[in-house]
Amino acid sequence: DGGITQSPKYLFRKEGQNVTLSCEQNLNHDAMYWYRQDPGQGLRLIYYSQIVNDFQKGDIAEGYSVSREKKESFPLTVTSAQKNPTAFYLCASLPAGLAGTSTDTQYFGPGTRLTVL
Amino acid sequence: AQSVTQLGSHVSVSEGALVLLRCNYSSSVPPYLFWYVQYPNQGLQLLLKYTTGATLVKGINGFEAEFKKSETSFHLTKPSAHMSDAAEYFCAVSRPAAGNKLTFGGGTRVLVKP
Repeated sequence: DGGITQSPKYLFRKEGQNVTLSCEQNLNHDAMYWYRQDPGQGLRLIYYSQIVNDFQKGDIAEGYSVSREKKESFPLTVTSAQKNPTAFYLCASLPAGLAGTSTDTQYFGPGTRLTVL
Repeated sequence: AQSVTQLGSHVSVSEGALVLLRCNYSSSVPPYLFWYVQYPNQGLQLLLKYTTGATLVKGINGFEAEFKKSETSFHLTKPSAHMSDAAEYFCAVSRPAAGNKLTFGGGTRVLVKP
C-alpha cells in the first residue's frame, strides 16, 4: 500500500535534547512538507522540500532542521533551540515539486506527538 | 501573504441537522482551496478541494463547499449531520506558484449531539 509513515507515534524527550522525527513516503512524490499543530492554531509550516537535496524554510523554521538526501525520506530534527517543542507534528507530500503548479492534493501522514518533559 | 479565518472554533449540531462551517480567506492571487478533516491523534484527510471550474464542489461523506470569489469565502456544508462527523475541520489555501504551501485556518471542532 502506498502512503506516508511517521514514526514513532508518541515521543518523549527531556528538555535540551535533540530529537529526530521520521517521515517516509512510497508515493514517489517530489515535494514533502513538515507542519506543526498546536491547539487552536491550525497547522503551521516548518520546512518544505520540492526536490532531493534542496529544502526551504517555512513560517516557523527556527529551532528545527531537515535533510532530504532521498526522495522518499524527509526527517525533521527538533533541536534544543526550539523554545516550545511539545506539539503534534505532521508530514505531508505532494506529487509535483519544482514543476510548479499542481492541482494535486497534499497527502498527510498519521503524525507524531512529541512531548518534552 | 495569504491567510485563512475559520469562524467558530467549536460548533455543536444535533444529529440530522445541517452542518455549516465558515471559512474566509485573503490572498493576492486566486488560490486553491481545501477542506480537511482530522480525527483525534490522526493525520488530515482531504474532504474536498477547489482549483478551477465549477464553484460548487462536492466531496466525500456528503460534504460540499461553494467558492464565492466576491465574498472570499469557501464555506463547508452537509445537509444532515451524522455522529461520525464529529471531528476537527480545517480550511486551507495554497498558491501553486509558491511551492504549493498550505496555509491553514485555526480549525473548527464539530460536536454532534444525539
